[in-house]
Amino acid sequence: EDKVVQSPLSLVVHEGDTVTLNCSYEVTNFRSLLWYKQEKKAPTFLFMLTSSGIEKKSGRLSSILDKKELFSILNITATQTGDSAIYLCAVAFYNTDKLIFGTGTRLQVFP
Amino acid sequence: GAGVSQSPSNKVTEKGKDVELRCDPISGHTALYWYRQSLGQGLEFLIYFQGNSAPDKSGLPSDRFSAERTGGSVSTLTIQRTQQEDSAVYLCASSPRQGSYGYTFGSGTRLTVV
Repeated sequence: EDKVVQSPLSLVVHEGDTVTLNCSYEVTNFRSLLWYKQEKKAPTFLFMLTSSGIEKKSGRLSSILDKKELFSILNITATQTGDSAIYLCAVAFYNTDKLIFGTGTRLQVFP
Repeated sequence: GAGVSQSPSNKVTEKGKDVELRCDPISGHTALYWYRQSLGQGLEFLIYFQGNSAPDKSGLPSDRFSAERTGGSVSTLTIQRTQQEDSAVYLCASSPRQGSYGYTFGSGTRLTVV
């Protein structure tokens, strides 16, 4: 059965801290890994990673994929209270257009 | 429209009643997806449409769940004879074409079955 696991489940930090969120997967027909940020109801797209070892970066957020060890990390540097959200990892496949999501990491950033 | 619109935003229904949830995707987006999110859980895939066809409906939990899409636009998710375990937030997303994963999600319908 295809599986996506995120850790930690929850993280509480102070503004300015750097955090690393983890996502591991065990799936067949892997195509890409995606990260989303969910603040209220609607998740918003952050990154899509298809190739190993190539870092994607957007401001203070960056992510990288390791297709040999089957995991990805999402880094957030100099965290701000506006980074507080649930961060979702998902896997895309070659044989279908659905995504399988992990349960998410809840990040809380306090001033 | 400017974004993905879902209605109603909240729905409380009695166990055993039927409900219809509506999704209006971004104009021109050919791919449309339904997911649900139970409390404390990640998103669970239900079904997706490319145009009016549903190439993958493997996530529909039972035959009480059905969905259709007409005119390549609006989609309706119907749940018949609702059960308490159907309580969740039902999220719809659209993307410009199949295989384009930068989905735009709607704000969801929170369904509570009492």
